[in-house]
Order: sequence, then structure tokens, then C-alpha cells
Amino acid sequence: SQKIEQNSEALNIQEGKTATLTCNYTNYSPAYLQWYRQDPGRGPVFLLLIRENEKEKRKERLKVTFDTTLKQSLFHITASQPADSATYLCALESGGGNKLTFGTGTQLKVEL
Amino acid sequence: DARVTQTPRHKVTEMGQEVTMRCQPILGHNTVFWYRQTMMQGLELLAYFRNRAPLDDSGMPKDRFSAEMPDATLATLKIQPSEPRDSAVYFCASGSQEQPQHFGDGTRLSIL
Repeated sequence: SQKIEQNSEALNIQEGKTATLTCNYTNYSPAYLQWYRQDPGRGPVFLLLIRENEKEKRKERLKVTFDTTLKQSLFHITASQPADSATYLCALESGGGNKLTFGTGTQLKVEL
Repeated sequence: DARVTQTPRHKVTEMGQEVTMRCQPILGHNTVFWYRQTMMQGLELLAYFRNRAPLDDSGMPKDRFSAEMPDATLATLKIQPSEPRDSAVYFCASGSQEQPQHFGDGTRLSIL
């Protein structure tokens, strides 16, 4: 069966460190993968998109990698700040157009 | 900054009542999605439309849920009759082909 797995436990890190979040999937062949941020009481907000033929994408302090052999994406936040505390969702293209299937998300807490 | 607008933001009603949730997508976006988010299941796709035509509603319980787009500026999701297990946050999102989805801030629904 198809499955998207993200760290189910919350990730606590110290301010200034690099946060690394993992998204693993099975039985998908996505043309692209996206990462979203969700704050309490708000809808998800798009952060980055990476295509199947791209290994890495960067945007400011964010970096995403995509390994279609391992069926894994890693999401990194460098020089993390308390304002980065949120839930981060990965989403896989799953059926053409821009239909997405979302993982359950990882809650990140950046502490002073 | 263009936004997806959802109304109402909160709804509390008794089981058996009809519930209607509304969404105004971003002007120019041709695809509209309805999602449901719960702690247990995460973010699940219920239905989506392209150019106002329903493309996929396989995620939606057909006997009680219905989704429509009466015009390009309005999408609706109805539940009739509502049940306690329908309690969740319902999100609408809009986008265009292979572009990121823009989410509203959701309708928090509680069925007593």
C-alpha cells in the first residue's frame, strides 16, 4: 500500500542548530515533492518544491534533498530560530495535475 | 497578497444538522481542493475541481458529503446529515497546474 512517513515524534532543537526533517515514502513515483509549514490554527503554507530530476533545492535558510532511489526527502533549516517552530508537512504529487498526498507532519520546536 | 478565504471559521452544531462550508479561491487559480484534517488521519483530500469540473471525489463519503463549484469564485462543501465523526478542520486550497497550493485557514467543525 502507499505510505508517506514523517517523524511522528516532535523534534526539539536548540536555536542556531540545523534542523533535519525526514519524509520517506513507499509505492509512489512522484514527479515532484513539496514541503509546507503549518502553524496552529492556520492552513499549510508552501515552502519549497523539488522535482524528481533535481537532487537539491535551496531557499534562504532552507534546503531540500530528494532521493528517488531511497524514496526519501530531507528538509533542513539552518541557523534555526524560535520563529521556525511549527509543523512541517511533506506532500507528494500523486495523480497528475497538482493533486498531492500529504504526510502527517513533524512538529519542530526551536528552543532558546 | 491574494488569499483563499473560508467561511465560517468555526461551526458548532448538533448531529443531524446540515453544514455548509464556503471557499473563495484565489482569482486566476483553476484548481480547487477540499481537505479534512484530524489528529489521527492528518490532512486527507476529499475532492478537487479543475475549471469548476469535479475531477476526483473518491476521498469523500458520498452518502452525506457533496462538493460543488457554482461559479469560479465560490466552492462549497456540504454535509447532510452531519455526524460527530465529521468533527475536524476542513481546508480549501487553490492552485494551478503543477504549482503550489494556497490554503485557507480552515473551518473548524464540531458536531455534538
